[in-house]
Amino acid sequence: EVQLVQSGAEVKKPGESLKISCQGSGYTFTTYWIGWVRQVPGKGLEWMGDIYPRDSDTRYNPSFQGQVTISADKSISTTYLQWSSLKASDTAMYFCARHTVDSDCFDSWGQGTLVTVPA
Amino acid sequence: DIVMTQSPDSLAVSLGERATINCKSSQSLSYISNNKNSLAWYQQRPGQPPKLLLYWASTRESGVPDRFSGSGSGTDFTLTISSLQAEDVAVYYCQQNSGPPYTFGQGTKVEIK
Repeated sequence: EVQLVQSGAEVKKPGESLKISCQGSGYTFTTYWIGWVRQVPGKGLEWMGDIYPRDSDTRYNPSFQGQVTISADKSISTTYLQWSSLKASDTAMYFCARHTVDSDCFDSWGQGTLVTVPA
Repeated sequence: DIVMTQSPDSLAVSLGERATINCKSSQSLSYISNNKNSLAWYQQRPGQPPKLLLYWASTRESGVPDRFSGSGSGTDFTLTISSLQAEDVAVYYCQQNSGPPYTFGQGTKVEIK
């Protein structure tokens, strides 16, 4: 069974750094792109970027380029999303999701990590 | 970026009745090479991550009930729930996977009338 398990909820202050994780299991981790998707409370879904764990090739949504960093450690089947300086506007639920091989949609999702940055 | 626009924003349907959600893309999602459309549909129940329902506009993901169906081509697509069940209460999103940046519609909330 394919599983993506994300790290737990975080409450941080503006200006602090943060790194959240997503660990895959039940499939060959290095051969599927993993994406990160933001969902602001009560709002829709936004693709932030993704990574190919085999070689760490990374693609970013221009809207998030420079705001976050996506990385991977294939030795532990884990991808990461990190911020160097959080803002209140980063408050959201963050999902990781696996791209399918042929159609590029997201067939498996993590449970989500809620990041709260009080203003 | 390809803009995805869903309609309506919400709808209330009686149990057992049909629900129809529309999705329009700002560019064609048709792949000439394989005659398929790069459009997926997701269901997000309250408090849960999204779940893939359909891809290539009309191919059901494994385990998805056959009351869910998709149609359309080019820029106009439709998700139909043929006989609404209580467990179908959710927000539904379309997504273009033609290429990055991947974009989603704003979502359609389906409720029971």
